[in-house]
Amino acid sequence: EAGVVQSPRYKIIEKKQPVAFWCNPISGHNTLYWYLQNLGQGPELLIRYENEEAVDDSQLPKDRFSAERLKGVDSTLKIQPAELGDSAVYLCASSLDSYSYNEQFFGPGTRLTVL
Amino acid sequence: GIQVEQSPPDLILQEGANSTLRCNFSDSVNNLQWFHQNPWGQLINLFYIPSGTKQNGRLSATTVATERYSLLYISSSQTTDSGVYFCAPLVGNQFYFGTGTSLTVIP
Repeated sequence: EAGVVQSPRYKIIEKKQPVAFWCNPISGHNTLYWYLQNLGQGPELLIRYENEEAVDDSQLPKDRFSAERLKGVDSTLKIQPAELGDSAVYLCASSLDSYSYNEQFFGPGTRLTVL
Repeated sequence: GIQVEQSPPDLILQEGANSTLRCNFSDSVNNLQWFHQNPWGQLINLFYIPSGTKQNGRLSATTVATERYSLLYISSSQTTDSGVYFCAPLVGNQFYFGTGTSLTVIP
């Protein structure tokens, strides 16, 4: 069974440029999470989807960040415009649901560098 | 939100040694996961453990939810155990990660 797939693995951009990250969760997983991980820290939740609905986006900086999961499967996270402080690893995770079967599985992450 | 404290923050072991990593949390939790983040950044599931004890090979975990802590035991450590270990308690529908324990196993 394939794990969580993310692309690209690495991205280097200049500040003020837009950037997008893509995630394909484990087949059959209804819940999808986007996390941000700064160096030396644990992951922090940005947004959680139940199928196509964003049920928790309270920690997503909505002035520059947006996300979508249009068909309830894969998801895209976008930053526009990127700032120097956005340099971090962006992790995607999925679980069967967020209630009884909520064990999370993570993708390899996208390492973003903003110059 | 919940406070998650992991100790020790850093640990250096000789290959073959045993260790215990601790995770304290400040609130009642519904569940808890332990992860190993390898040197390439991949988070690998170790345990999904709301309470009690589980074992998987050289690793075992114990969660005492009523006392708000969980322990991860690593026995006969190997160099491939190096990396950062995170606990992530679940409160409501959200997992909260600690700052991790960085483990280095030297041959």
